[in-house]
Amino acid sequence: GAGVSQTPSNKVTEKGKYVELRCDPISGHTALYWYRQSLGQGPEFLIYFQGTGAADDSGLPNDRFFAVRPEGSVSTLKIQRTERGDSAVYLCASSPTRGTEAFFGQGTRLTVV
Amino acid sequence: ELKVEQNPLFLSMQEGKNYTIYCNYSTTSDRLYWYRQDPGKSLESLFVLLSNGAVKQEGRLMASLDTKARLSTLHITAAVHDLSATYFCAVDGETSGSRLTFGEGTQLTVNP
Repeated sequence: GAGVSQTPSNKVTEKGKYVELRCDPISGHTALYWYRQSLGQGPEFLIYFQGTGAADDSGLPNDRFFAVRPEGSVSTLKIQRTERGDSAVYLCASSPTRGTEAFFGQGTRLTVV
Repeated sequence: ELKVEQNPLFLSMQEGKNYTIYCNYSTTSDRLYWYRQDPGKSLESLFVLLSNGAVKQEGRLMASLDTKARLSTLHITAAVHDLSATYFCAVDGETSGSRLTFGEGTQLTVNP
């Protein structure tokens, strides 16, 4: 596709459940980023992939959060034992390589009830 | 830790007026970005500023960067209702790798 695609666009889950959020970056972009945006705030960095490897995962809040990008394209953000505080919009972005302009997807709005 | 501060956080202005949004950051930076976000939508890239003194203009918006003062401005000229949105600046710090640190955003409302 022409842009960064994220699925699902909305996800409602019960506290304690496991969720997976998918990001399909722009074709050919080697750098992929996950951010989290809470209501009324700017996005906060979670993790950055260069190719298949997580080059910087220092933004992941705790070990319930994990992300993979096994083939260097699609990435999945996984959240275990969800908590109400995890409710936010999860944004994915990609860029041609490190340090170049990043393009954002539409986001997945996660609501934990 | 890189900090990015925007002001004002809320801005209500009349159509036809001019105003400036300020973005201050706390450490040296390779790049500064301005994004626009409409309610319920994702981030749209507006400007990428790469060097001291850089100035970019698109329509009624003009962005500038002063790396010595660690300050970027987004100037709005003769505002129109369609510019109503939230504007974020984001900094890619020299020691932060490729992670962007965002400001809190400026929620702009342009009234007819």
